[in-house]
Amino acid sequence: GAGVSQSPRYKVAKRGQDVALRCDPISGHVSLFWYQQALGQGPEFLTYFQNEAQLDKSGLPSDRFFAERPEGSVSTLKIQRTQQEDSAVYLCASSLGGQAYSNQPQHFGDGTRLSIL
Amino acid sequence: SQQGEEDPQALSIQEGENATMNCSYKTSINNLQWYRQNSGRGLVHLILIRSNEREKHSGRLRVTLDTSKKSSSLLITASRAADTASYFCATDGFNSGGSNYKLTFGKGTLLTVNP
Repeated sequence: GAGVSQSPRYKVAKRGQDVALRCDPISGHVSLFWYQQALGQGPEFLTYFQNEAQLDKSGLPSDRFFAERPEGSVSTLKIQRTQQEDSAVYLCASSLGGQAYSNQPQHFGDGTRLSIL
Repeated sequence: SQQGEEDPQALSIQEGENATMNCSYKTSINNLQWYRQNSGRGLVHLILIRSNEREKHSGRLRVTLDTSKKSSSLLITASRAADTASYFCATDGFNSGGSNYKLTFGKGTLLTVNP
């Protein structure tokens, strides 16, 4: 069956460029999450959407990071004026219910590996 | 910041042996989940244990939770080479100001099962 799809799988950009990372969640999933995973570390929460509403963006490292989910399905994570410390794997996850449903697994995509030169 | 801390950081065993990984966390939780991550891939959900549960089984997996010690363990029995992966615990709940959706992951245990 269709899982969470992320594109591109790999992205190389020069410092200062803007990048956009795409996430296609599982159809019908209400919740969507973005995580950042540094090498050898666990994922770190960036932001959370319930349908099209961004309910939590407390993990975004700076105002250069912006995420949207305008129609409540596909989401895009945009990073402006990229810096070397932005190099990481960016993971997207979705789950079926909204924030009231805590007992639900999150389904992850394979991530986008971002390298900033 | 990392809520959970897995122990050991790396574990190497022979096929057929059991593997035990531990996780400690700092604040009260609603649930604790374990995930597996193969190299270059996303995380795969293994098992969820609620704060009012003490033990849970799923196939060759056994998870325990001790909320008084703020710790959990994941046991994989009769390990196979295909179990080689990183294993993460993740907590949700009160550590996020009441939000129950936000997962906080540990650094993971890298398990290598040698054939």
